[in-house]
Amino acid sequence: DTGVSQDPRHKITKRGQNVTFRCDPISEHNRLYWYRQTLGQGPEFLTYFQNEAQLEKSRLLSDRFSAERPKGSFSTLEIQRTEQGDSAMYLCASSPPGGSQETQYFGPGTRLLVL
Amino acid sequence: ELKVEQNPLFLSMQEGKNYTIYCNYSTTSDRLYWYRQDPGKSLESLFVLLSNGAVKQEGRLMASLDTKARLSTLHITAAVHDLSATYFCAVAPSLNDYKLSFGAGTTVTVRA
Repeated sequence: DTGVSQDPRHKITKRGQNVTFRCDPISEHNRLYWYRQTLGQGPEFLTYFQNEAQLEKSRLLSDRFSAERPKGSFSTLEIQRTEQGDSAMYLCASSPPGGSQETQYFGPGTRLLVL
Repeated sequence: ELKVEQNPLFLSMQEGKNYTIYCNYSTTSDRLYWYRQDPGKSLESLFVLLSNGAVKQEGRLMASLDTKARLSTLHITAAVHDLSATYFCAVAPSLNDYKLSFGAGTTVTVRA
């Protein structure tokens, strides 16, 4: 049973560099979500996809952030011109099609440190 | 904007005793979730609560939902060390709105 996977698990970068994270959802899950979690806080919603369509973006998602899910399977989250405030854990989650009982299953996260 | 508040934020439990974590939210909601997070790990789903009066139990954990009071509780019975973790509640605003708003989490430490 493979859960949600994320790559890389850790990323250290210098301010101003671009970074890209990948998320592979659970097979046949049509919804995919990105959240950001800073130390001592709960996750904050960034964006979500239903199949390949990006249906909602948080105001937290500045112009420097872009997410894609080109074929409705894996997703990428890119941060351009990183800033120290971008340092956080980036979590991906997926959920199956169906009714209101759906649970979002979270991946292990990518921890980003911007120096 | 949907706000979710948990209390307490930190809870030191003695093994064998019972405790409750509270989760209040600011607007009506159709779905409430409880997750567990171990240090450095991702979130593990514990419960999904969908209707007023819903109660779910798994082992020493029991969650309930009062939609009229906009309150959910997570009750821990006879705490054991394995329950040390951070517990989050999360709320979805409506049936067709899938983004979750999380509380700040309750960090639980169980001591002997």
